[in-house]
Amino acid sequence: AQSVAQPEDQVNVAEGNPLTVKCTYSVSGNPYLFWYVQYPNRGLQFLLKYITGDNLVKGSYGFEAEFNKSQTSFHLKKPSALVSDSALYFCAVRALSGYSTLTFGKGTMLLVSP
Amino acid sequence: DAGVIQSPRHEVTEMGQEVTLRCKPISGHDYLFWYRQTMMRGLELLIYFNNNVPIDDSGMPEDRFSAKMPNASFSTLKIQPSEPRDSAVYFCASSPGTSVGTDTQYFGPGTRLTVL
Repeated sequence: AQSVAQPEDQVNVAEGNPLTVKCTYSVSGNPYLFWYVQYPNRGLQFLLKYITGDNLVKGSYGFEAEFNKSQTSFHLKKPSALVSDSALYFCAVRALSGYSTLTFGKGTMLLVSP
Repeated sequence: DAGVIQSPRHEVTEMGQEVTLRCKPISGHDYLFWYRQTMMRGLELLIYFNNNVPIDDSGMPEDRFSAKMPNASFSTLKIQPSEPRDSAVYFCASSPGTSVGTDTQYFGPGTRLTVL
């Protein structure tokens, strides 16, 4: 079975500071990892994904994520947070081989203060 | 393209009533997914379709829930009879395929269901 853990329900950061939203995963075989963002009263929007190759993946809105196989982690990062980044962030995983549906984490609320 | 379209955006109903949620996927997408989001359980996959055929409905909570996809541009999720514990936000998502590179899911805005 595959699973995702987002250990923080909420992350608070001041505008201009770097941010990290944590994600760890469990999957059989090589992982295929995603980050999605949900703004208030909206559906989830795709941010970025990791398939293979470079451990640092760049995505939309200046976000990036770092894959660490030994720690089974896929943390979302941004060098300088904006107030408009405040939203709910979801990490998701599936096995790279074959097809399985995505398993989502419970989400982490990011609050960026002015 | 307008993206995934869901209706209604909000639904308030009384326990025991039938509720029908609707979804129009992105044109050309062969896969359609129904999810439920609650504070307690997060985002749960209920069912997904490939080319209008239900593939996996193991996430459907019980027989009160049913989903159909009569054609490539329309799907419904029906709850009959509804119960207060069904209150949640229901999302529809679609993707072009399931192979790596084609399986990014695009979500609709959701339907917020409240069962009194």
